[in-house]
Amino acid sequence: ETGVTQTPRHLVMGMTNKKSLKCEQHLGHNAMYWYKQSAKKPLELMFVYNFKEQTENNSVPSRFSPECPNSSHLFLHLHTLQPEDSALYLCASSQVTLAGGPNEQFFGPGTRLTVL
Amino acid sequence: ILNVEQSPQSLHVQEGDSTNFTCSFPSSNFYALHWYRWETAKSPEALFVMTLNGDEKKKGRISATLNTKEGYSYLYIKGSQPEDSATYLCAFRNYGGATNKLIFGTGTLLAVQP
Repeated sequence: ETGVTQTPRHLVMGMTNKKSLKCEQHLGHNAMYWYKQSAKKPLELMFVYNFKEQTENNSVPSRFSPECPNSSHLFLHLHTLQPEDSALYLCASSQVTLAGGPNEQFFGPGTRLTVL
Repeated sequence: ILNVEQSPQSLHVQEGDSTNFTCSFPSSNFYALHWYRWETAKSPEALFVMTLNGDEKKKGRISATLNTKEGYSYLYIKGSQPEDSATYLCAFRNYGGATNKLIFGTGTLLAVQP
């Protein structure tokens, strides 16, 4: 596997279900991200993990719970979602250095989530 | 609230046409501007990262320019081909913003008819 992979690619769940999205990066990066894309809206940053520590929570409801067990894996745990949470969820990774830099992010193909 | 605007929202051109679209972003505290190409059902793919005012970058038939003083970037595609059909996203990063945060526009959807 190369780049950033995401599973599953499609997920349909009921509002009472609990499910998890998985992301894995094979690029040796030290930062990982969750984004949400709803129809006709820009990519919206949800969470940032730097060196496995969460450094950004962009006012995301608690029904979305991220987990980063190591620098290569990122999960998004979902519970009691609402139909308006239906969207494409993208994972990305990048290499962050203390010297800064443009922070080019590499994306996975996304999970298309439908909440019934 | 930082806002990134892209225009047009969508564009339909014939094969062989040249085209361009715009990304507008806040001109203060500029750090970097990214362009991504996103084909349906695939991952967004990085095209360019630009950091300096007046930067011009080129990859094959695609090129981009950057004006940080007035807050815009242009993406040009010369001699469009059907395989160029995709959504083109720009993303802005500023100094003093949250760590690693990219702010995306809604994209320009390009359809190239053979």
